[in-house]
Amino acid sequence: GAVVSQHPSWVICKSGTSVKIECRSLDFQATTMFWYRQFPKQSLMLMATSNEGSKATYEQGVEKDKFLINHASLTLSTLTVTSAHPEDSSFYICSARLGTSYNEQFFGPGTRLTVL
Amino acid sequence: GQQVMQIPQYQHVQEGEDFTTYCNSSTTLSNIQWYKQRPGGHPVFLIQLVKSGEVKKQKRLTFQFGEAKKNSSLHITATQTTDVGTYFCARNTGFQKLVFGTGTRLLVSP
Repeated sequence: GAVVSQHPSWVICKSGTSVKIECRSLDFQATTMFWYRQFPKQSLMLMATSNEGSKATYEQGVEKDKFLINHASLTLSTLTVTSAHPEDSSFYICSARLGTSYNEQFFGPGTRLTVL
Repeated sequence: GQQVMQIPQYQHVQEGEDFTTYCNSSTTLSNIQWYKQRPGGHPVFLIQLVKSGEVKKQKRLTFQFGEAKKNSSLHITATQTTDVGTYFCARNTGFQKLVFGTGTRLLVSP
């Protein structure tokens, strides 16, 4: 099956620092990856669509200068939370599709970010 | 995109009881997907429904897509403690994106 990994699985940082989260498709190539954020006991909210070789597409209300996305290869997308604040503490999950003809999304295990 | 509403938000059942979660949209859906997220885990794809009135089964799980393609349900027969988790429906937008429903959290007591 399609496997997506994320690193790190959890991170604690001080307010004002930046944190980078990696999302990798391990056994397939993903031209498109998605980044979600999930607060406790809430649903997943799509933050942005990461496109290999081009700029990410951000959802309404998501600051692109705060959440930097880089999709440098067909197997790696990174999300950098810049100048993190306590309200950015959340569960960040990425996903990928096998291809445009597949609707199923495969999710990474998630990264739990805590900003002190 | 407009979020899809799910009811109930939370349900606590005894092992062996049945469970149903409902997913409702105000607009017609091209398809609906269902995911399960275990506590502390990530969403795992369960199924996709495409056709009006479609019914699909996976062991104790039965998925239905409404005739008008505006609602869907997931029914679990004789729940087990391994069924614990949050069940999400999700709709595809026209841009390959998924919009998740509000989710139903299921707790099963032995």
